[in-house]
Amino acid sequence: DAGITQSPRHKVTETGTPVTLRCHQTENHRYMYWYRQDPGHGLRLIHYSYGVKDTDKGEVSDGYSVSRSKTEDFLLTLESATSSQTSVYFCATRDSRVGEQYFGPGTRLTVT
Amino acid sequence: TQLLEQSPQFLSIQEGENLTVYCNSSSVFSSLQWYRQEPGEGPVLLVTVVTGGEVKKLKRLTFQFGDARKDSSLHITAAQTGDTGLYLCAGASAYTGTASKLTFGTGTRLQVTL
Repeated sequence: DAGITQSPRHKVTETGTPVTLRCHQTENHRYMYWYRQDPGHGLRLIHYSYGVKDTDKGEVSDGYSVSRSKTEDFLLTLESATSSQTSVYFCATRDSRVGEQYFGPGTRLTVT
Repeated sequence: TQLLEQSPQFLSIQEGENLTVYCNSSSVFSSLQWYRQEPGEGPVLLVTVVTGGEVKKLKRLTFQFGDARKDSSLHITAAQTGDTGLYLCAGASAYTGTASKLTFGTGTRLQVTL
């Protein structure tokens, strides 16, 4: 257990509104990731961070942005939410020494 | 883009039966991980295999990494209801530039009933 929390755990929002999801970790892991999980697609990487203020795009980054101003926090922002962004979002961290990723409990986002 | 295909997608068996889940790719991975995910929770790591041909056992679960490091299998002996969940494989790229990212399979949903 890498001490990962996500907030909010559930959110319903309207199309066109901005949304920010927060991931907080207490293990001082260098790498942090945002995934979305959808039926038939498994987990797909949105963005990831390899250090404070160092981020890069994943395979499904369009419509999403991220920020990491502190080691412990990684924010995912949907600038203008669309119905296709309805999903369950997971944050993960990785201890660079061993490679395994540890996941948070997820945020269920519904865009109406 | 690296792809990982898992089979079967769904599996419903009775307690006590054995089963095998497969994870296949045309890409080479430096390591492969298996996770189990329960409803409403994030995936939890079960094992990491690193060496081609490696076999790891975790109680009734046996994990194998293919010799060419392109595929893996998970075998459960005498399944129990507590094994119910979504099983995900994930491969780490063999190329240094993307070594920090994982490619996930689509998952195998296992239901074990009494």
